[in-house]
Amino acid sequence: AQSVTQLDSHVSVSEGTPVLLRCNYSSSYSPSLFWYVQHPNKGLQLLLKYTSAATLVKGINGFEAEFKKSETSFHLTKPSAHMSDAAEYFCVVTLNAFSGNTPLVFGKGTRLSVIA
Amino acid sequence: DVKVTQSSRYLVKRTGEKVFLECVQDMDHENMFWYRQDPGLGLRLIYFSYDVKMKEKGDIPEGYSVSREKKERFSLILESASTNQTSMYLCASSKGGETQYFGPGTRLLVL
Repeated sequence: AQSVTQLDSHVSVSEGTPVLLRCNYSSSYSPSLFWYVQHPNKGLQLLLKYTSAATLVKGINGFEAEFKKSETSFHLTKPSAHMSDAAEYFCVVTLNAFSGNTPLVFGKGTRLSVIA
Repeated sequence: DVKVTQSSRYLVKRTGEKVFLECVQDMDHENMFWYRQDPGLGLRLIYFSYDVKMKEKGDIPEGYSVSREKKERFSLILESASTNQTSMYLCASSKGGETQYFGPGTRLLVL
């Protein structure tokens, strides 16, 4: 079975400072990992995904995440926060895409606040 | 662009009513999913479907049913709405094991 733990329910940063949103996963098999973002009153948008290619994954809006198998982590980072980054972020795990159609398992979310 | 649409953004129903939430995708995706989203709980899978007329229970199917008569449409049905079904409902679709694309959500209030 797969599971994902987002270590912080709320993160607050100042504009222009780095962002770190932490995620640990558990999976019996080779996982695919995703980060989704949800802005207020909007649907979920894919930020980036890891599917067993390069361990450092670049996404939209300057975000990136690094897959670390030894630490079972997939933390999301951004060098410099922008006010528009304020949103809810979800770390998601599923079996590797080649393993078939498997539903996504979502973390409980991290709310990112950006202070001017 | 992939488009997933949901029939209503906001819905208010009374306890005991039968409620239909509709989801339509325009990218010929085989897979469709219904989630509910609650504060502090993230998204939880209710039902999903890999093909027309096929359905699988997710993590919290109790009190819900689904219908998939056409490939592009996946309906979530609350047979007898209850107040604990007040939530945000999100539909998603995908092709094979690839990325899921989400609709804007339906915020349901059951009084």
